Formats: sequence, C-alpha cells, structure tokens
Amino acid sequence: AQSVTQLGSHVSVSEGALVLLRCNYSSSVPPYLFWYVQYPNQGLQLLLKYTSAATLVKGINGFEAEFKKSETSFHLTKPSAHMSDAAEYFCAVNEDDKIIFGKGTRLHILP
Amino acid sequence: GAGVSQTPSNKVTEKGKYVELRCDPISGHTALYWYRQSLGQGPEFLIYFQGTGAADDSGLPNDRFFAVRPEGSVSTLKIQRTERGDSAVYLCASSLSGRGTGELFFGEGSRLTVL
Repeated sequence: AQSVTQLGSHVSVSEGALVLLRCNYSSSVPPYLFWYVQYPNQGLQLLLKYTSAATLVKGINGFEAEFKKSETSFHLTKPSAHMSDAAEYFCAVNEDDKIIFGKGTRLHILP
Repeated sequence: GAGVSQTPSNKVTEKGKYVELRCDPISGHTALYWYRQSLGQGPEFLIYFQGTGAADDSGLPNDRFFAVRPEGSVSTLKIQRTERGDSAVYLCASSLSGRGTGELFFGEGSRLTVL
C-alpha cells in the first residue's frame, strides 16, 4: 500500500524565513504526489502536484517541491514565509484511483 | 456556486441515530470521493465513485456506513446507528476524471458530533 509520512505535526518559522515541510513517501510504483493546503475554515485546495514530467514542481503562492527518488522524498519549500501562509499542509500520494493523505503539518508564522 | 457543496455544515446527533450527509460536486466531474478527518489527523479515504458506481469502497469502516450516487452527480453518505467514535468532519471531493492523477476539489465538510 502507498503511504506518506510527514515529519513534524507543527512547524514554526519567522516571517520572511525559509519554509521547509518534509514528506517521505512509500510506493511500489512511480507515484503521483501532491501537496494540499487547508486554510482556517476553508476546504483543502491543491498547492502543487508531481506527475513525473519534472522533478521540481512549482505551485501556487510561491511554493515548490522537489521529487527525489533516491530519498523517497517530496519536501515542500518556500523561500520567504508570509503571515498568510499559516495553515495546515498535507502531503498525499495516489493509490490506484484514490489519493492517500498524510497526517498533516500545521505551519505557524511568527511575526 | 461553482464549488463542491456539502450539507449540513454541522450535525449534532445522539448515539444510535441515523444520519445522512449530502455532497453536491462540481458540475461535470465524474469522480466523487468521501473522506473522514478526525482532529489532528489527515483525511482518511472512505469511498470513491466513478459515475454512479462505487469504484472503491475499501475505506468504509463497517457496514453501518453506506454511500450512494444514483444519478452520477449528488452523493449521500449514510451512517446507521451512530457511535461517538463516528464524530469527525466528513469531506467530499470531486475530480474531473478520477484515476488518482488529477486535482481533487474539496467542499468545506460536514462536521458530525455524536453525543
């Protein structure tokens, strides 16, 4: 079965600092990988997805993620955090026709 | 609106009662998913429809849970003899094609509280 592991249920960064949210996947076949974000009182929305076209994937709001097969990782980064980035972030992988989510990482932005 | 709509947004019920949660997907989306999200956890897959049929119901926890999508659009998640452990936010998502490769569009969820 496919799965993703997100390291750190809570991450705090200062405004303007680098954001790094970690995700490792387990998959027996080449995966499709996703990052979703859930802002307070809103539904989940897609940040970016990897579908094997390019290992560095750019998403919305300045986020990007790099697929590293050798490390089975798909970490999410943003060079400079904004207060508006405070949210919960979920890494996900496909298993057949469904999407399996990690437990999430709540990102806190410190002023 | 153009997004995924879920009703009710909040439901409080008593243990043992029957509950229905409704999802109205984006028009034209053939795939529809139900997930359950407990506090501090990620969305847990329940069931996936492709058109009218349940293509994968492997995530339904037991036979108290059932979902239908009779006309290939609106779906209803049905929970019989509710238990306190069923308390969670139930999320619905739709996708243009399913297949696990495309973007899921989520509703805001139905929060179920079983007293």
